[in-house]
Amino acid sequence: KAGVTQTPRYLIKTRGQQVTLSCSPISGHRSVSWYQQTPGQGLQFLFEYFSETQRNKGNFPGRFSGRQFSNSRSEMNVSTLELGDSALYLCASSFLDRGSTDTQYFGPGTRLTVL
Amino acid sequence: DQQVKQNSPSLSVQEGRISILNCDYTNSMFDYFLWYKKYPAEGPTFLISISSIKDKNEDGRFTVFLNKSAKHLSLHIVPSQPGDSAVYFCAASVTGANNLFFGTGTRLTVIP
Repeated sequence: KAGVTQTPRYLIKTRGQQVTLSCSPISGHRSVSWYQQTPGQGLQFLFEYFSETQRNKGNFPGRFSGRQFSNSRSEMNVSTLELGDSALYLCASSFLDRGSTDTQYFGPGTRLTVL
Repeated sequence: DQQVKQNSPSLSVQEGRISILNCDYTNSMFDYFLWYKKYPAEGPTFLISISSIKDKNEDGRFTVFLNKSAKHLSLHIVPSQPGDSAVYFCAASVTGANNLFFGTGTRLTVIP
């Protein structure tokens, strides 16, 4: 079974631009979560989508948004990029029924650099 | 507020010996715990998990112990191998909320 895939792997943008990152979960997985990893803040939860609905959201500004499609693929968008948005953005998927907890499997990440 | 803490940023162990990585948490609502291994510029790789209804879970060379009263978990790797050298993260979540809280990681170096 193929793992979680993320595109693109690397991205360079300038301040003020916007960016869209894509994530394809493991086949059959319905939950997709996004995380940001930075040297200063570590791994932090951004948001989670299940059946095209955002169920949980971390403590990030509204410039960070996402969506999930009917095939469980997900995208996250960051508008008005700031230098501090430079990070490794990780997507994780899990086969999750409501009310249960399941292991999250991570993709390789997208390295975003904001100049 | 760091709800999951890994107080040892690094650990060095001789090949063949036991590696013990520790993790503490503050939120008593956490009931599912995981360990991940991570290389630079890659996503975390799942190693092992444990539910709060258990106090031990084994998978090959990896064993996770959970002490709920102390809000402490540990990962034992026996025997340690050079390929185990990586950064290890513990993570915690609450059942029904699929967001993980991560520790800051421990860099394990296994010396041949």
